[in-house]
Amino acid sequence: QKEVEQDPGPLSVPEGAIVSLNCTYSNSAFQYFMWYRQYSRKGPELLMYTYSSGNKEDGRFTAQVDKSSKYISLFIRDSQPSDSATYLCATSISGTYKYIFGTGTRLKVLA
Amino acid sequence: DTGVSQNPRHKITKRGQNVTFRCDPISEHNRLYWYRQTLGQGPEFLTYFQNEAQLEKSRLLSDRFSAERPKGSFSTLEIQRTEQGDSAMYLCASSQGTANNEQFFGPGTRLTVL
Repeated sequence: QKEVEQDPGPLSVPEGAIVSLNCTYSNSAFQYFMWYRQYSRKGPELLMYTYSSGNKEDGRFTAQVDKSSKYISLFIRDSQPSDSATYLCATSISGTYKYIFGTGTRLKVLA
Repeated sequence: DTGVSQNPRHKITKRGQNVTFRCDPISEHNRLYWYRQTLGQGPEFLTYFQNEAQLEKSRLLSDRFSAERPKGSFSTLEIQRTEQGDSAMYLCASSQGTANNEQFFGPGTRLTVL
């Protein structure tokens, strides 16, 4: 079993839809949770960085962490074709510095 | 542009050759990381530096791989006697080295071993 599980997709939605992307993790020691966006053949771009359970909002993006269920989510409101990319979740343990990534979910927003 | 930079962006080599990649982190960041990403997978941790000290290495980093960060600024990753299985995107990231460990990635070096 991988430490971080993520559905690879692809996930196709119409423009303007609310997108929900999810990851589960197995190690309760994970304390930090990140979401990255990666366009094809580019490096990952940090979208959200969270520590505690609950919600964190930044513009059209909301990250949600439920440590009791070991479940993390990223919501994208009013999705745009430019949001079409692969979304990677990542976690790390407090006191360590390496990130453990999911496989990424490929998102297509159709105009 | 003050982001993480990597060179070269693409490298094609023949099996058995040595290759070296360079990473220049964000200037005030003292932690530097190397990851490897294969098609359809997320990045996998290889190693990280705090200033010039290499503090952790993944078991993915075989004896053919070596990384350095001689003056605590830029870093190099060398692969000796490349194999076809080394074909991947090699990503570099950096972070400030405080309690905030947000890692910012460079554009990557795509290696193809023929």
